Amino acid sequence: GESVGLHLPTLSVQEGDNSIINCAYSNSASDYFIWYKQESGKGPQFIIDIRSNMDKRQGQRVTVLLNKTVKHLSLQIAATQPGDSAVYFCAENLGNNNDMRFGAGTRLTVKP
Amino acid sequence: EPEVTQTPSHQVTQMGQEVILRCVPISNHLYFYWYRQILGQKVEFLVSFYNNEISEKSEIFDDQFSVERPDGSNFTLKIRSTKLEDSAMYFCASSEVSRNQPQHFGDGTRLSIL
Repeated sequence: GESVGLHLPTLSVQEGDNSIINCAYSNSASDYFIWYKQESGKGPQFIIDIRSNMDKRQGQRVTVLLNKTVKHLSLQIAATQPGDSAVYFCAENLGNNNDMRFGAGTRLTVKP
Repeated sequence: EPEVTQTPSHQVTQMGQEVILRCVPISNHLYFYWYRQILGQKVEFLVSFYNNEISEKSEIFDDQFSVERPDGSNFTLKIRSTKLEDSAMYFCASSEVSRNQPQHFGDGTRLSIL
């Protein structure tokens, strides 16, 4: 769900387990989506993108799923590693311009 | 791998002063962006820039803000008459040739207004 200020949704997983991070996007006209990873003190780092004409896309250890019916996006990380600990943001392009609108973020913590 | 670079990494400015944040986008990218992230909150879009003009701006990007591409490599954000609430991380990003391309971010400038 949404969060305000410092109270990000959090997900804690054991090293080696799979992680699933969810995002609800706002606009049914959005046609392009990106998942970003943000480590402390760094800018958002591109992980994977997906266009609205697809419902699944795979990268290295990551999979993005898009459900346009319920406006839901998820990021699956296989065999989660300590280096995956970060805040993960989904971002949507609203369909009529170039700017991306970011979600509130989820903090992923990987326990060794 | 090419990257977006931002300077300075931290800027401390007195309230009411003007500040210029600098960015060097990835060299073959044509679209440039500024975003803001207040501590602990989500990344917020400010402005996008293409072909030497603003293509989109958010409600945050009022007359206090301006952007410029003064030469072939730099992209700047100027904030006039800074206020305490302008304190945030400011991120520059760039993307290739058209919309629906990944935007690549710099590591940001932390702006602290005293």
